[in-house]
Amino acid sequence: DADVTQTPRNRITKTGKRIMLECSQTKGHDRMYWYRQDPGLGLRLIYYSFDVKDINKGEISDGYSVSRQAQAKFSLSLESAIPNQTALYFCATSDLGQGTGGYTFGSGTRLTVV
Amino acid sequence: GEDVEQSLFLSVREGDSSVINCTYTDSSSTYLYWYKQEPGAGLQLLTYIFSNMDMKQDQRLTVLLNKKDKHLSLRIADTQTGDSAIYFCAEIRGPRGSTLGRLYFGRGTQLTVWP
Repeated sequence: DADVTQTPRNRITKTGKRIMLECSQTKGHDRMYWYRQDPGLGLRLIYYSFDVKDINKGEISDGYSVSRQAQAKFSLSLESAIPNQTALYFCATSDLGQGTGGYTFGSGTRLTVV
Repeated sequence: GEDVEQSLFLSVREGDSSVINCTYTDSSSTYLYWYKQEPGAGLQLLTYIFSNMDMKQDQRLTVLLNKKDKHLSLRIADTQTGDSAIYFCAEIRGPRGSTLGRLYFGRGTQLTVWP
């Protein structure tokens, strides 16, 4: 099994729908992150969590919310999806201070909002 | 804030060397990273360098670090078509001496290798 698992892998949804993307990890890492990737824009941080009781906004949190249900689970919600949220979404995890391990990424969720 | 800068595209012929450059922002970054993203996949850690090093070599990969200019480069020797991917540079940025730092990524360099 992958260290960081994202579900679903692909999703098409309609404008205005609520959608949840899920992430689970077996790394035992305290820190978890949600990024979106758009062509030419690289990775942009949406939210991050340094432990179960800690949630922080990233650079582009508007329109998104997160829940850290357990050390191993971090979900991202789009309350009312809009077409410009069409993107590739990545979950990542890291140990305290990153160090030599850096971040471990999931395989991504490709979301299309029509 | 300031961005980690990378050129967006690089094309090389198979067998040549590739050099991907990056300019980072925080002179106190303890680690700097290179990630590789193959088509349809997530990012994988390719290599890293600790800030007290000038160079790190790992098989076909050579990382050079110029702290004075805050410049990082990744050289891939004998580039193969399987090296075609997006390469991301990343730095740790955060309060000095704390564990609150996190990674900041460049926009990625699309490396295309022609046969």
